[in-house]
Amino acid sequence: GNSVTQMEGPVTLSEEAFLTINCTYTATGYPSLFWYVQYPGEGLQLLLKATKADDKGSNKGFEATYRKETTSFHLEKGSVQVSDSAVYFCALRGAAGNKLTFGGGTRVLVKP
Amino acid sequence: SQTIHQWPATLVQPVGSPLSLECTVEGTSNPNLYWYRQAAGRGLQLLFYSVGIGQISSEVPQNLSASRPQDRQFILSSKKLLLSDSGFYLCAWSLERGYGYTFGSGTRLTVV
Repeated sequence: GNSVTQMEGPVTLSEEAFLTINCTYTATGYPSLFWYVQYPGEGLQLLLKATKADDKGSNKGFEATYRKETTSFHLEKGSVQVSDSAVYFCALRGAAGNKLTFGGGTRVLVKP
Repeated sequence: SQTIHQWPATLVQPVGSPLSLECTVEGTSNPNLYWYRQAAGRGLQLLFYSVGIGQISSEVPQNLSASRPQDRQFILSSKKLLLSDSGFYLCAWSLERGYGYTFGSGTRLTVV
């Protein structure tokens, strides 16, 4: 079955530091890949997505590139802010299915 | 535009009491609907999903149930809550594959 593995947190950074959260997946065919963000006490919000190999999703300074050869979708941001403190979830939606499979989430804490 | 409403936002219930959480979607037809649970400090677990009225698929055996009495209404229920039912419950909807989900704001349930 499909699965998503992302690095465990928490990740603690200083403001303006570079952020990378690794995400790798296992799936048959060509899944769609997503990053969701959950701010404290809130639901999940779609951050970015990529639907085919080599696509780059981007939003709010975050980027992730769909790498089929390495089955990865790492999330990056060049300069984080305190407001980026949240839990980040990598997810995939299989080519033939309706369900999203989530990784375990990575908590990011940005200190001023 | 499409919106998703989930209520209540917080709920404290005694062990053995019944549960009913409601989720409604506006602005779309025949959405796929999902219930997820997020235990404290953990990832997301898919509980139920529905592709149409009266069609419910259960992912995890438990004392919870789901119903879809109308196209855009999804209800999560329990006859008798357990302490282990505590968590953050998220409703979501989606359309065709290639798209992510849109999540509601969540219900924080504490069973005491």
